[in-house]
Amino acid sequence: EVQVLESGGGLVQPGGSLRLSCAASGFTFTNYAMTWVRQAPGKGLEWVSGFNGNYGTTHYADSVKGRFTISRDTFNNTLYLQLNSLRAEDTAVYYCAKRTGDSKRAAMDVWGLGTMVTVSS
Amino acid sequence: QSALTQPASVSGSPGQSITFSCTGTSSDVGGYDYVSWYQQHPGKAPKLIIYDVSNRPSGVSNRFFGSKSGNTASLTISGLQAEDEAEYYCSSYRSGSTYVFGTGTKVTVL
Repeated sequence: EVQVLESGGGLVQPGGSLRLSCAASGFTFTNYAMTWVRQAPGKGLEWVSGFNGNYGTTHYADSVKGRFTISRDTFNNTLYLQLNSLRAEDTAVYYCAKRTGDSKRAAMDVWGLGTMVTVSS
Repeated sequence: QSALTQPASVSGSPGQSITFSCTGTSSDVGGYDYVSWYQQHPGKAPKLIIYDVSNRPSGVSNRFFGSKSGNTASLTISGLQAEDEAEYYCSSYRSGSTYVFGTGTKVTVL
């Protein structure tokens, strides 16, 4: 079964850091682009960052550029999102999603359950 | 990065058809055939129901139909059922290697 599972969320103070993980299984990890999407409480979906499969190129939303870093471990089939300089407005459920192909343009067909990040003092 | 514009809410009776829009610009919806739609029930992860404007993933009901004209994409749900009550988000690739979601439409089955 194709699935992704996030972990690593929690409560962190403003200015702090956190690393989210997304364990992928059931598909050839390097053949697909992966992405992070977040959803603040009671709000809509916001694309955060993407990682292309074969070329390893990365992309970020303006709201997180310079603070978040996406990476992957192909040996362990795991996608990461390093969150630095966290702000209250970063509070959200963070979803990991697999794209339908190896393209930054492709839709997201497999989603995890999400991991909650709360930034508060 | 501004979101795509969707109506906040749409409602219909069981069996009816409803259609709602997703409006962007020539830099996203109008410029690429990479519009997708997601269904999200409360407390659940989003589910892909339409990709590349009008394609349905395997297992998604053929009651869902996607289309696009210019800078506006649309989702039609025919034969409305109670289980269709959810939040729906459109999304599109946007030039500059970014991706954008719509503001979301809450569908209520009366």
